Amino acid sequence: GAVVSQHPSRVICKSGTSVKIECRSLDFQATTMFWYRQFPKQSLMLMATSNEGSKATYEQGVEKDKFLINHASLTLSTLTVTSAHPEDSSFYICSAPGLASDNEQFFGPGTRLTVL
Amino acid sequence: GNSVTQMEGPVTLSEEAFLTINCTYTATGYPSLFWYVQYPGEGLQLLLKATKADDKGSNKGFEATYRKETTSFHLEKGSVQVSDSAVYFCALTPNSGNTPLVFGKGTRLSVIA
Repeated sequence: GAVVSQHPSRVICKSGTSVKIECRSLDFQATTMFWYRQFPKQSLMLMATSNEGSKATYEQGVEKDKFLINHASLTLSTLTVTSAHPEDSSFYICSAPGLASDNEQFFGPGTRLTVL
Repeated sequence: GNSVTQMEGPVTLSEEAFLTINCTYTATGYPSLFWYVQYPGEGLQLLLKATKADDKGSNKGFEATYRKETTSFHLEKGSVQVSDSAVYFCALTPNSGNTPLVFGKGTRLSVIA
């Protein structure tokens, strides 16, 4: 199956700093990628849809100036958490749909962000 | 709109017990249905999938059948193992282009020896 990687896997930062998370499709091209956020013991919440070469589409309630998404190539999307605060601490997961007609999505391993 | 409802856990079973995790969905058209599993501290892994009515997805002893008449996709396993302890997510996506998955809330399974 297709492989999606994320980097870093874990990051700890001070409040007020910005953190960039990378999501890469390793063996396929992805014009669309999705960013999810998962709080402890909860389900995944869709944050935004990342579109290659155009602006991301954000879900209601997600601050686009807070969570900057850039999809500069067919294999890379980045999520930057700007001026991070402790409430931004969470598990961030990206996914990319495969090429098959069943719309199966391939998930990255996730990034654990802790803001002190 | 599209939604997924799955039984809430946690579910605790003894090793070799029978497992059922119920999942029902609401969707327009004919969605694809998935079960994903998340082990502690890890991302999501696809467990099985089904793309049309009466399809049965199966993997690692787990099975689920796409039932359009009852809009269900219940997950079953005949004999669980300790290593099956994880969180299981039922999900759907419409068969219409690059759309995100709609997830259920997840069911935490703990299997004790």
